[in-house]
Amino acid sequence: GESVGLHLPTLSVQEGDNSIINCAYSNSASDYFIWYKQESGKGPQFIIDIRSNMDKRQGQRVTVLLNKTVKHLSLQIAATQPGDSAVYFCAEIETSGSRLTFGEGTQLTVNP
Amino acid sequence: ETGVTQTPRHLVMGMTNKKSLKCEQHLGHNAMYWYKQSAKKPLELMFVYNFKEQTENNSVPSRFSPECPNSSHLFLHLHTLQPEDSALYLCASSRGLPVGELFFGEGSRLTVL
Repeated sequence: GESVGLHLPTLSVQEGDNSIINCAYSNSASDYFIWYKQESGKGPQFIIDIRSNMDKRQGQRVTVLLNKTVKHLSLQIAATQPGDSAVYFCAEIETSGSRLTFGEGTQLTVNP
Repeated sequence: ETGVTQTPRHLVMGMTNKKSLKCEQHLGHNAMYWYKQSAKKPLELMFVYNFKEQTENNSVPSRFSPECPNSSHLFLHLHTLQPEDSALYLCASSRGLPVGELFFGEGSRLTVL
């Protein structure tokens, strides 16, 4: 259950699989990017961030990849668990202009 | 707990009512934000305050009136709303501007009848 390249509004994976969630951003001047997770009935929570001088950053079970050439951001979740079920969305920030734009979310559903 | 508290969590109001949403942050941040979240749409920025001063009004109708008495508190006053204003209203804070990581509250779910 992976999706590469295209943003999908929903993604369904089996527990234990790896998940890839994609985000295309629009502002070439954006230099800071954040992935948020929003569980049902809750506010968005920070997962991981990356600055434009990097192309990869790893956290605990999560990796963010940044491709500035095609203005594409992805979030990889390793060994997806039921607790990972949520809406995930990216934010692009142009720090000099203080512009922050959120992408469309992807609803990740993890099947046991 | 994110350090950003919103009340009420749920609100139902008629189109002629006046109500207010409240947000309080305990993070020592200087910037606070109101966002609107509608189903299947990206988060929409409404207002930004930095050190109590409004720095952005994203073409929000005047039936939404923000108030920021200090850096820790933010209100959204609502009057004569429309059914299409029904949404989740999220408050967020950040250390300041330029904008960086936002810390969100749990949101206030508003239903306008």
